[in-house]
Amino acid sequence: QQQVKQSPQSLIVQKGGISIINCAYENTAFDYFPWYQQFPGKGPALLIAIRPDVSEKKEGRFTISFNKSAKQFSLHIMDSQPGDSATYFCAASNFGRGANNLFFGTGTRLTVIP
Amino acid sequence: GAGVSQSPRYKVAKRGQDVALRCDPISGHVSLFWYQQALGQGPEFLTYFQNEAQLDKSGLPSDRFFAERPEGSVSTLKIQRTQQEDSAVYLCASSLGLSDTQYFGPGTRLTVL
Repeated sequence: QQQVKQSPQSLIVQKGGISIINCAYENTAFDYFPWYQQFPGKGPALLIAIRPDVSEKKEGRFTISFNKSAKQFSLHIMDSQPGDSATYFCAASNFGRGANNLFFGTGTRLTVIP
Repeated sequence: GAGVSQSPRYKVAKRGQDVALRCDPISGHVSLFWYQQALGQGPEFLTYFQNEAQLDKSGLPSDRFFAERPEGSVSTLKIQRTQQEDSAVYLCASSLGLSDTQYFGPGTRLTVL
């Protein structure tokens, strides 16, 4: 059973545009929501993460929006660049209860067209 | 500083062979995690260690999978009698503590023929 559902599966955006990737979860015990970026042949790398006590977190061109009541969170990439072309994974974990493994979504392959 | 390293990067095994995959975590990182990533999917948790103690192995798919970290640093994931469904990328991650950011290695791509 997929603990974290991610959409879309793939996304094509023009350079300078906004990329939006959405995730949903069911387990209300989750208390940590990171986004990872993965390039071909590489391991995932942490982009940005949020805890459920805030509704938004911004770091540079990357913003996480979090809706606790809807159990949804999304990644917004502003001014998308060709170098952002990669696969993005949302994830969730239950750090507060000592469960430290991450549950990942199925990934979104982003292509930014020059 | 050096990141998480994994070896070998690629492994081809015949069905039924045993394989051993190595992970060198970031120096000083107490926690170490193993994940399995099937083609086109997100990583799935296998097991994790705090120092040499294996605290959770609930994600190991069968008793053919075994992981160890005897001195609390390098870890080895062993798969016995490999099957075709074991073909995947095996990712190792380490973190300073259990609730800290996990840093991933490049993975080992295992292909079972």
